[in-house]
Amino acid sequence: DAMVIQNPRYQVTQFGKPVTLSCSQTLNHNVMYWYQQKSSQAPKLLFHYYDKDFNNEADTPDNFQSRRPNTSFCFLDIRSPGLGDAAMYLCATSRETGGNSPLHFGNGTRLTVT
Amino acid sequence: AQSVTQPDIHITVSEGASLELRCNYSYGATPYLFWYVQSPGQGLQLLLKYFSGDTLVQGIKGFEAEFKRSQSSFNLRKPSVHWSDAAEYFCAVGTNFGNEKLTFGTGTRLTIIP
Repeated sequence: DAMVIQNPRYQVTQFGKPVTLSCSQTLNHNVMYWYQQKSSQAPKLLFHYYDKDFNNEADTPDNFQSRRPNTSFCFLDIRSPGLGDAAMYLCATSRETGGNSPLHFGNGTRLTVT
Repeated sequence: AQSVTQPDIHITVSEGASLELRCNYSYGATPYLFWYVQSPGQGLQLLLKYFSGDTLVQGIKGFEAEFKRSQSSFNLRKPSVHWSDAAEYFCAVGTNFGNEKLTFGTGTRLTIIP
């Protein structure tokens, strides 16, 4: 089955220690997104790639970076995690940008910062 | 800009009873509307979507939703809930501007009691 896969499912890191979360897709979609979701809240878009074009949301902290080396893979780098960055991180894909292109989500990576 | 309101933070329903989750949107034109479901510790899964045409749309897992333009609503319904329907439900709205992102509501948590 075509899908969006996130690794690892659970990640523990120390305060200030860089961490990388990964996402891969077999859907061959043009767009890949990273969302942050805190407990009992809606997902918050951090940034997205359309192919190789990176689009950052205006309120995404500089501490969050992303890489998309090819169509299938996308990485979220948190350079210096703080306690407030503990959250579920969701990767999603869509065929195109625009409101009529449904998102396909991975199962998320739950990040704990100690 | 578009917005989405889910008025009910938490709903409890008996197994076998009917369900209606409310969603109201604000947008000047006809929006694209979605319902997603998120089981505990999982990513979001698309239940159904409305783009145009028949205002009553059928989705997966026995869910349906009705678009009512006059009420700016897109409520989700199920005639008889199962214990496995316990989850968080998110309504989302998209627009027909190419680079606009989905806007999610804050979610409704559904609890099923025996």
